[in-house]
Amino acid sequence: AQSVTQLDSQVPVFEEAPVELRCNYSSSVSVYLFWYVQYPNQGLQLLLKYLSGSTLVKGINGFEAEFNKSQTSFHLRKPSVHISDTAEYFCAVSVQAAGNKLTFGGGTRVLVKP
Amino acid sequence: GAVVSQHPSRVICKSGTSVKIECRSLDFQATTMFWYRQFPKQSLMLMATSNEGSKATYEQGVEKDKFLINHASLTLSTLTVTSAHPEDSSFYICSARLFTGGTGELFFGEGSRLTVL
Repeated sequence: AQSVTQLDSQVPVFEEAPVELRCNYSSSVSVYLFWYVQYPNQGLQLLLKYLSGSTLVKGINGFEAEFNKSQTSFHLRKPSVHISDTAEYFCAVSVQAAGNKLTFGGGTRVLVKP
Repeated sequence: GAVVSQHPSRVICKSGTSVKIECRSLDFQATTMFWYRQFPKQSLMLMATSNEGSKATYEQGVEKDKFLINHASLTLSTLTVTSAHPEDSSFYICSARLFTGGTGELFFGEGSRLTVL
């Protein structure tokens, strides 16, 4: 079975500062990796995904993530955050196919301060 | 992108009653949908995989008779919480799988918040 650990439950950050959200996974087989964002009382929106190829993945809203197989990590970064980036962020893995069931991390709440 | 819609977005019911939540893929057909449950300030936990035309596959620890899932068409899956109790209060989210010529992609609904009094 696979698991996902998001090391930070909350990350306060000032507007226009950079942010990094950490994600580590555990799996005995190859995985597909995802980052989702959830705004209050809403569903999930895909930020980016790693399926194969380049380990640096660029997503929507200026986010990017880097897959590091040796460290089993998939950290999410944004060089300059906005107030509107305040939300919950979830890292997830899928082991069978990109469109298959996901295992989610515990989530990281990002609070952007003015 | 593809759109998945859930209804109702919020529902309040009395203890002992049953509640049905619908998940619709609006602009694509989905042979597979997934139902998740999210407690306040927690992550999403997969409850079951809904397969069109066949029985749902439940995750370990999820009561099949409590959470009835029906996937009668390629665009609709329903989750019925039977004899609901306050501990069933939660945020329920569905996702639908869209095959795009490769391995597919999941699209999530807006979620349905159930409050059982």
